[in-house]
Amino acid sequence: DQQVKQNSPSLSVQEGRISILNCDYTNSMFDYFLWYKKYPAEGPTFLISISSIKDKNEDGRFTVFLNKSAKHLSLHIVPSQPGDSAVYFCAASYMDSNYQLIWGAGTKLIIKP
Amino acid sequence: DVKVTQSSRYLVKRTGEKVFLECVQDMDHENMFWYRQDPGLGLRLIYFSYDVKMKEKGDIPEGYSVSREKKERFSLILESASTNQTSMYLCASSSSITDIQDTGELFFGEGSRLTVL
Repeated sequence: DQQVKQNSPSLSVQEGRISILNCDYTNSMFDYFLWYKKYPAEGPTFLISISSIKDKNEDGRFTVFLNKSAKHLSLHIVPSQPGDSAVYFCAASYMDSNYQLIWGAGTKLIIKP
Repeated sequence: DVKVTQSSRYLVKRTGEKVFLECVQDMDHENMFWYRQDPGLGLRLIYFSYDVKMKEKGDIPEGYSVSREKKERFSLILESASTNQTSMYLCASSSSITDIQDTGELFFGEGSRLTVL
């Protein structure tokens, strides 16, 4: 029973274009969502987050959008750069979730030169 | 910079062997976590600890145990390794639960890739 789903295992985008990574969730109790980035042979690193009281959060080239009614969030990267090639994980948590982040399976983003 | 160090990057063990995975963090964090990462399954929480000598089960604790004798060190133990424990193991730390909610700051080590033959 996957509560956080990333349905695209991989995504290929031309350098300079927009990358859109999607994440769906089923648990309406989730109130905090995060995106992590992972390079091969390294641990994941925090990228950006959003609280359920917001529908958008922006940090430089990265913007996360939250659609609570659809239980859907997306990460937009504009413009995409070669260094953005990595696996992106979506994660969710809620108050009283006892330290647990629930993770999606990840999407491998490939930026083509 | 926060540093989370995992003792072994790559290990190969035989079925039935006892395996120790060590993790050390240098930022005086209260919380430490062990995850395993498998293709198509994301990260799954094995155990976590919010204080010295304290431990809590995560989603998949079966076949694992942990030890936290010092604040900076969190060890994952496989008492009798099995082939289905072949995986990438990730250790992480954070200073408080509010940090995860407020900043998402969960700091990971580089991972330990374990192969059980």
